[in-house]
Parts: sequence; structure tokens; C-alpha cells
Amino acid sequence: AQSVAQPEDQVNVAEGNPLTVKCTYSVSGNPYLFWYVQYPNRGLQFLLKYITGDNLVKGSYGFEAEFNKSQTSFHLKKPSALVSDSALYFCAVRPLTGGGNKLTFGTGTQLKVEL
Amino acid sequence: GAVVSQHPSRVICKSGTSVKIECRSLDFQATTMFWYRQFPKKSLMLMATSNEGSKATYEQGVEKDKFLINHASLTLSTLTVTSAHPEDSSFYICSARPGQGTNQPQHFGDGTRLSIL
Repeated sequence: AQSVAQPEDQVNVAEGNPLTVKCTYSVSGNPYLFWYVQYPNRGLQFLLKYITGDNLVKGSYGFEAEFNKSQTSFHLKKPSALVSDSALYFCAVRPLTGGGNKLTFGTGTQLKVEL
Repeated sequence: GAVVSQHPSRVICKSGTSVKIECRSLDFQATTMFWYRQFPKKSLMLMATSNEGSKATYEQGVEKDKFLINHASLTLSTLTVTSAHPEDSSFYICSARPGQGTNQPQHFGDGTRLSIL
């Protein structure tokens, strides 16, 4: 069975500082990893994905994520946070091959960026 | 591109009412759509996978007769909550995946806030 852990319910960052939102995963075989962002009363917006290739993946709005196979992690990062980045962030995983279409989501991390 | 429209965005109705939620892929065809339920400050729970032209695949513990899913075309899936009760109140979100390949990300609608009085 696949699973995702987002160990922090909330992350607080000052605007302009770098941010990291942590994610670790467990899946059979190679993973297909995603980050999504959710604003209040909205659906999820796709930020970025990792399939294969370069471990550092760049996505929307200046976000990037680093895949680390040995640590089974896929932490989301941004060099300089904005107040408008405040939202709920979800990491998700599914097997790259097999395992059907189902994505497994983490419990979400609330990011709060303050002035 | 890859826009998913979900309607209505909010529904308030009396207990016992049936409620239909629509999920449309506006600029792509989706053979597979997904229906999720999200509780406050909680992750998304996959309810069912909707397959165009065939029966939906429900997750364990989700009542098929309670949550009726119809995926009649490549751009539309509907979820009907039958005889809704207060415990069905939740945020329901659909998603769709473009193309036939499984390496495309899912794109989500904006969700439907269902409140049963």
C-alpha cells in the first residue's frame, strides 16, 4: 500500500525567507510524485510533478521540489516566500507503473507567510 | 489549459433531498474522473473512480447506492448524493486526467460545499 506523510500541520515563514514543506512517501516501485496547493473553498491546483530525471523539479509560482530516493522524500521549496503563498499544500504519490490510477494524498500542511 | 469546472459550488438543502454535482473537463477529454470528499482540515478521501461508458469503481466503505456516479461522456461526470443527511455534509471535489496516458497529472474542480440541514 502507498502512503504519504506530511509531518507538519502548519509552517510559518516570514515573507522573503525561504520555505520548505516536508513530504515523505512509501510506494511499491518507482514513485510518481506531485504537489498541489489549495486555497480556501477551492479545489486543488497542480504545482509540480516528478516522474524521472533531474531530482530537482521546478513548478508553478516559483516553487520547486527535490526528490531524494534514499530518504524517500519530496520536499517542496521556494527561495523567497510571499504572503500570497499562504495556503494548504498537499503532497501526493502513486506508483509509476501498476497500482492503478489512484493518488494517495498526505494530510496537508498549512503554510502561513507573514509580513 | 486543463480546466475542470464543477457545479454547483455550494448547495444547502433539507435532509432527504437528492443532490447532483457536475464535473466537466472544459478543454480536454477525460476517460477517467475522480470524486473526492474532504473534511475540514483533512486530506482528500477518494470516493470513487469514474470511467466513461462503464461503471464507477468505488472505494471500500463508500456506498454505491448512496453516491451515484454517471460518466456519460468524455467531458462530464456527475455525482448524485441520494437522500442526503446531515452526515453527508462535506466538501466534494472532482478531478480529471487528460489523455489516455497515466502520466498526466489530475486537474481539480473548485469543489462543492454541501450542507444538509
